[in-house]
Amino acid sequence: NAGVTQTPKFRVLKTGQSMTLLCAQDMNHEYMYWYRQDPGMGLRLIHYSVGEGTTAKGEVPDGYNVSRLKKQNFLLGLESAAPSQTSVYFCASSPLAGGAYNEQFFGPGTRLTVL
Amino acid sequence: KQEVTQIPAALSVPEGENLVLNCSFTDSAIYNLQWFRQDPGKGLTSLLLIQSSQREQTSGRLNASLDKSSGRSTLYIAASQPGDSATYLCAVRPGTSGSRLTFGEGTQLTVNP
Repeated sequence: NAGVTQTPKFRVLKTGQSMTLLCAQDMNHEYMYWYRQDPGMGLRLIHYSVGEGTTAKGEVPDGYNVSRLKKQNFLLGLESAAPSQTSVYFCASSPLAGGAYNEQFFGPGTRLTVL
Repeated sequence: KQEVTQIPAALSVPEGENLVLNCSFTDSAIYNLQWFRQDPGKGLTSLLLIQSSQREQTSGRLNASLDKSSGRSTLYIAASQPGDSATYLCAVRPGTSGSRLTFGEGTQLTVNP
């Protein structure tokens, strides 16, 4: 099992450019999440998905879009990147909520710099 | 709104010392609490998960306790080693709004040889 993988690991964008971050999990988890981590702010939830074809907004969704066309993949898109989106992005997944064991598993992160 | 605080923000100890990391949360209506470890430039690794009905969980040299009524959790590390150096994060999952986690900012631990 690869667990949760993220592509790419690093990326530098210019203001106004667009890009898509890919998250994949091979644990057959229902839930998937996108977080950003910033110094002094901790990890904050951007968007999440409770199953294939569904998405929902988290704490800081503005400027991002997501899609969950396949259960194992969760894509995070930036349509017009801004310097404020410079951050480290983490994807996570977890099995169905309500179970006795619903730990979140994290990917290695994508470091994004917007110039 | 749930807020999670971790004190201290940084801690430096000599090898072999037993230590306690603290996590407090403002809303006691949680489903569970999870402790993570993050190495520099890396992702998060789950260490322990405590359900709201539990008081503690143990894994090796790690012991996490939960006092939901007072909004506190502690992570106890026995006989610390240089390899324990990392940032430790706690996160709470609310009891009513699905599986979203609220994270603290972490405690950066350095264990000196």
